[in-house]
Amino acid sequence: QKEVEQNSGPLSVPEGAIASLNCTYSDRGSQSFFWYRQYSGKSPELIMSIYSNGDKEDGRFTAQLNKASQYVSLLIRDSQPSDSATYLCAVNNSNYQLIWGAGTKLIIKP
Amino acid sequence: KAGVTQTPRYLIKTRGQQVTLSCSPISGHRSVSWYQQTPGQGLQFLFEYFSETQRNKGNFPGRFSGRQFSNSRSEMNVSTLELGDSALYLCASNPGNQETQYFGPGTRLLVL
Repeated sequence: QKEVEQNSGPLSVPEGAIASLNCTYSDRGSQSFFWYRQYSGKSPELIMSIYSNGDKEDGRFTAQLNKASQYVSLLIRDSQPSDSATYLCAVNNSNYQLIWGAGTKLIIKP
Repeated sequence: KAGVTQTPRYLIKTRGQQVTLSCSPISGHRSVSWYQQTPGQGLQFLFEYFSETQRNKGNFPGRFSGRQFSNSRSEMNVSTLELGDSALYLCASNPGNQETQYFGPGTRLLVL
């Protein structure tokens, strides 16, 4: 079992709809969770970080964390074509190592 | 503040050669991490340096090595290159708390 798992996609979402990206992790001792966005040919950039159970909102983005179920998700409201990218989930495990998922490719269709 | 810089941006080598990549972190950042990214394997952690010491290491063979200098600049070396080493090599810096990673533009290495 991979330590951090994401559906590779592609996930296709119509413009204006909500895009939902999911990530599961195996280390129950994990404390920090991150979502990065990576455009094709570019480096990853941080979108959101979340540390406590529940929701954290930042503009059109909402990160959701459920430590009991060991999943973290990212919701993108009012999806725009510019949101088309690969979204990487990263988790700081109990050994203080940042473990990365393989990423989900998101395509927003105009 | 200036961002993370990496040199060179592109590199072509042949099998058996060695290569050295350089990374300059954001000013004040003491941690530098290196990653290999390929279409098939995604983002793979190589190692992290903090205050000139290797703090974490991923599951790569000994051909991959690194170091960090007193000014926090870091180099990564790959010896005896193999075709499978063709990848985008990303460097990321961090103040030292192992939280948010700030990535450089990457070095794209092609091994022929």
